[in-house]
Amino acid sequence: GENVEQHPSTLSVQEGDSAVIKCTYSDSASNYFPWYKQELGKGPQLIIDIRSNVGEKKDQRIAVTLNKTAKHFSLHITETQPEDSAVYFCASYYGQNFVFGPGTRLSVLP
Amino acid sequence: DGGITQSPKYLFRKEGQNVTLSCEQNLNHDAMYWYRQDPGQGLRLIYYSQIVNDFQKGDIAEGYSVSREKKESFPLTVTSAQKNPTAFYLCASNSGRTDTQYFGPGTRLTVL
Repeated sequence: GENVEQHPSTLSVQEGDSAVIKCTYSDSASNYFPWYKQELGKGPQLIIDIRSNVGEKKDQRIAVTLNKTAKHFSLHITETQPEDSAVYFCASYYGQNFVFGPGTRLSVLP
Repeated sequence: DGGITQSPKYLFRKEGQNVTLSCEQNLNHDAMYWYRQDPGQGLRLIYYSQIVNDFQKGDIAEGYSVSREKKESFPLTVTSAQKNPTAFYLCASNSGRTDTQYFGPGTRLTVL
């Protein structure tokens, strides 16, 4: 079955700097890759997603890139702000289900 | 106002009791899911349903049961057979294959 790895597990950046989180997946049949942001005590919120026929997608300060050959995709956050501090999860859609990475705790230091 | 609602937000259970967590969606989504999240961990799939009156076990179904009698509702029962049920439970839905999955706000279950 599918396996999703995510790195790093924790990331601290200065406000205004960029943050990059990377995920790898194992099954080339996976074709949809969302990213979620989870604040403490709340449900995950979708922040951006990408489908396998696209290499890059941007939404203001957030971007996702996909390398199908290498089976990895990355989340890029530019000009980070304190409110970006949260846990971020990547996922891949495999079969009928989503497989999630273990999460990255991002801390943006003022 | 469309979305997924979960109730209650907090739930306390005595050992040996069954408890039921509610999940309702008004997004007209076909597929619904239940996940368990332990502190500092990712999401693990308990059960999912792609259509009314049909559901499948996920990776950690033991000690849990579900029903899908209506499209908008997918309740989860945590039975006394679940030996370590204290966790954060998340319900999610999406409208079809490879479509965006949305999450509810979660229910935190604590066993006393």
